[in-house]
Amino acid sequence: AQSVTQLGSHVSVSEGALVLLRCNYSSSVPPYLFWYVQYPNQGLQLLLKYTSAATLVKGINGFEAEFKKSETSFHLTKPSAHMSDAAEYFCAVSVEGGKLIFGQGTELSVKP
Amino acid sequence: DAGVIQSPRHEVTEMGQEVTLRCKPISGHNSLFWYRQTMMRGLELLIYFNNNVPIDDSGMPEDRFSAKMPNASFSTLKIQPSEPRDSAVYFCASSFWGHENIQYFGAGTRLSVL
Repeated sequence: AQSVTQLGSHVSVSEGALVLLRCNYSSSVPPYLFWYVQYPNQGLQLLLKYTSAATLVKGINGFEAEFKKSETSFHLTKPSAHMSDAAEYFCAVSVEGGKLIFGQGTELSVKP
Repeated sequence: DAGVIQSPRHEVTEMGQEVTLRCKPISGHNSLFWYRQTMMRGLELLIYFNNNVPIDDSGMPEDRFSAKMPNASFSTLKIQPSEPRDSAVYFCASSFWGHENIQYFGAGTRLSVL
């Protein structure tokens, strides 16, 4: 069965520091992969997606993710954290029927 | 497009009452998903529809939960009778199945059952 694992339920960084949120997936076929962001009291918003084109995917707000098939990973990075990046981040893989399997989420805190 | 529209945004009810949550998907989308989010269990898929037909309801917790999609522009999630453990944020999402499967989420309904 396909699954998604996010390493670390809570990540804390200082403003201006590198953000690295880890995601590993299991899939028997080339997947569609997604990162979503959820700000407090809001729904999930698409940050970026991988759909078998370029392996380095750029998203909104300066985030990017790299698809590494050999490592079955799709880690999310941002060179310099901003206070407004504080939110919960979800990695997801698309499976049959259009369903998304979500990871358990990583809460990002940004310290001034 | 206005995006996925959910109503109400907040619902407070008493145990035993019937609760109906509503969702209007993005026009042209053919898949609709209902999720529940709690601190303890995270984000759970309850049920989803393709072309108005329920495909997988294995996430529906009990017979007290039911969902319908009478047409392409409207869906409901009903809880009858409601219990305090149903308190959660319920999200609806829609997508165009077969085209990258990107799901667009509504703002959610925060349900409190007293």
